[in-house]
Amino acid sequence: GENVEQHPSTLSVQEGDSAVIKCTYSDSASNYFPWYKQELGKGPQLIIDIRSNVGEKKDQRIAVTLNKTAKHFSLHITETQPEDSAVYFCAASIGDYKLSFGAGTTVTVRA
Amino acid sequence: IAGITQAPTSQILAAGRRMTLRCTQDMRHNAMYWYRQDLGLGLRLIHYSNTAGTTGKGEVPDGYSVSRANTDDFPLTLASAVPSQTSVYFCAVQGPYGYTFGSGTRLTVV
Repeated sequence: GENVEQHPSTLSVQEGDSAVIKCTYSDSASNYFPWYKQELGKGPQLIIDIRSNVGEKKDQRIAVTLNKTAKHFSLHITETQPEDSAVYFCAASIGDYKLSFGAGTTVTVRA
Repeated sequence: IAGITQAPTSQILAAGRRMTLRCTQDMRHNAMYWYRQDLGLGLRLIHYSNTAGTTGKGEVPDGYSVSRANTDDFPLTLASAVPSQTSVYFCAVQGPYGYTFGSGTRLTVV
C-alpha cells in the first residue's frame, strides 16, 4: 500500500515568516494529494489539494507544489499568522479513495 | 447544519467490553471511512465503505468491524476492547470537495 512520510514533525516560525512542510509518497500511481489542518479538539479540515496533472496550486497565503518524478509534494504557508498554529497532515491516494496520511506536523507561530 | 455527527465524544472502556462508535452523515455521500489517530502515526484507515451495503478493510482492521445498512450511518464496533485500541477515532465522508471529518471520539481502554 501507499506509504507517506512527512517532515518535519514540529515547526516553529516567527509570525510573518514562511513555513514549509514536505511529504514523500511511495506509490507512483497516486494522483491526488490533499493537505489537512487540524486544530485542537477538532477533526482535520481540508485546506488545499493538488492533482498529478498540476505542478503547483495557490490559495491566498497557501501553496502546494508537486514533483511527480521525485514523488514528493510540499505545503508552503507565507506571512504566517497566529491562527496558522495547528497540526498539518499531508495525504495521498489513487483517485480520491482511501487516503493515506503522513504522521503530521505541529506548526507553532510565535508572536 | 449539514455534516457528520460522531458519538460519544469520549469514553472510558474496560478491557474486554464491547463498544460501538456511531457516525451519522446528512450529506448523502456514498463513501465513508473510519480512521484512528495516534501521536506520531498520523491517521490510519481502519475500515471503509464505498456505498451502502459494502465495506472493506483498511490498513489496521484487526479488532474492529463495521456495517453500512444505509447511506447515512456507518458504525464502528470493537468486539472485545484492548488497551492498544486507546486512540482518537475519526469518521469521514468523501464528497466532491474532499473528505469531511467528524469531531472524533476519544476512547480510552483500561
